[in-house]
This record gives sequence, structure tokens and C-alpha cells, in this order.
Amino acid sequence: EVQLLESGGGLIQPGGSLRLSCAASGFTFSSYAMSWVRQAPGKGLEWVSEISASGDSAYYADSMKGRFTISRDNSKNTLYLQMNSLRAEDTAIYYCAKVMTTPLVDYWGQGTLVTVSS
Amino acid sequence: QLVLTQSPSASASLGASVKLTCTLSSGHSSYAIAWHQQQPEKGPRYLMKLNSDGSHNKGDGIPDRFSGSSSGAERYLTISSLQSEDEADYYCQTWGTGIWVFGGGTKLTVL
Repeated sequence: EVQLLESGGGLIQPGGSLRLSCAASGFTFSSYAMSWVRQAPGKGLEWVSEISASGDSAYYADSMKGRFTISRDNSKNTLYLQMNSLRAEDTAIYYCAKVMTTPLVDYWGQGTLVTVSS
Repeated sequence: QLVLTQSPSASASLGASVKLTCTLSSGHSSYAIAWHQQQPEKGPRYLMKLNSDGSHNKGDGIPDRFSGSSSGAERYLTISSLQSEDEADYYCQTWGTGIWVFGGGTKLTVL
């Protein structure tokens, strides 16, 4: 059974940094691209970033470029999202997602809440 | 520009069927999409991948009541024999070069 367990969310002041983690199990982690998707309160889903299976390639939504960094440790079956220079508008639930062989999500984590507020 | 358009809301009666639509922007009618369901206060759940020819691959444990079809730039999700637990937000998703796109979501109310 595929499981994705996010952690690292919390309350952070504007301008601060936070690192999210996603522990994966139930599939060969190193064989699949992974992604982060977020959802602001009362809003729809917004793609944040995707990383290739090997970790060699990464893509970001424009509003996250230069502030967020996605990475992975295939030896630990763990995905990360380093978030810097956080803004109030980054407040959201952040979901870890497994990517199919085509760039579509086939499994979701339960999410971790990030609140950016003074 | 790659855009997915969904109606904000839909409604249908318990036991009836409903067809939700996701429309791909001009020039992208060959794209596959995924449909995802998000029940209230829960995380999203993958329903299916839907190709331009209407073929689809459903996720683990997705009931036969859920099916997909395509016509041109339109991608459809049909839910038959509606149940109360089908009341949820439904999102479509696709991708382009180095970018993912989600539709705005359709809130389905089961009457």
C-alpha cells in the first residue's frame, strides 16, 4: 500500500524558513518523480514543484521560483521542500504527491499545514 | 497558454447520474488529464487518468460508478448512482513542459 506522510508544517513568521518532509513507502521511491501541491484555505489546488526520479531535474511554479527548493533522498525514501522568504500568501496545506510515468498524480499524502503569520 | 476550465458547481439527486466537464485550452485538445476527488475536510484522492481517446485508468479501489470520456478538448467525469459520499470537490489536472496545471474545481452537491 502506497503511503505518503508529510511533516514539518507549523506557524512561521513572514520572511522565515521551513523545511517540509514526506516519507514514502509501499512503492519503489527511486523510480518515480514526486511533487508538492498546495491548497490555500478555501481555495483550489495549486502545483508547487516537481522533481525527477533521480533528483537531477526540478521544476517550479513561477511564484515559488527562487524561494522554494525541492529535493529528495532516495536512500531514505524521503522528499523535501525547503521554503525560504515565506509570505502570508504561502499559507496553505502542502501535499506530497507521487507522480505516474506521465506527469500526473496517482497518490496523495494527507497534507501538512503551513501558516505564515506574525 | 495551458488552462483547464471547470464549472464552479454542479448538483444532482441521490441515485442519479452527473457528468462533470473539464475543458482544455485551445491547442491542447490532445492532452491527457487526471481527475481527483476531494471530500470535505480531506486530502485529494486520485480517481483516474483520462486520455484524449476516452480510454481511462482508474485508481485503486475506485468504484465502477466513476467513468471518464473525452470529446475534442472536453474531458468528462461521469458519476452514476450518486451516493452521499460523492459530495465533494472534483479537480482535473494536466501538464505541459515544466509546468502542471489544475482546473479551478467543481463543487458537487448531492441533493
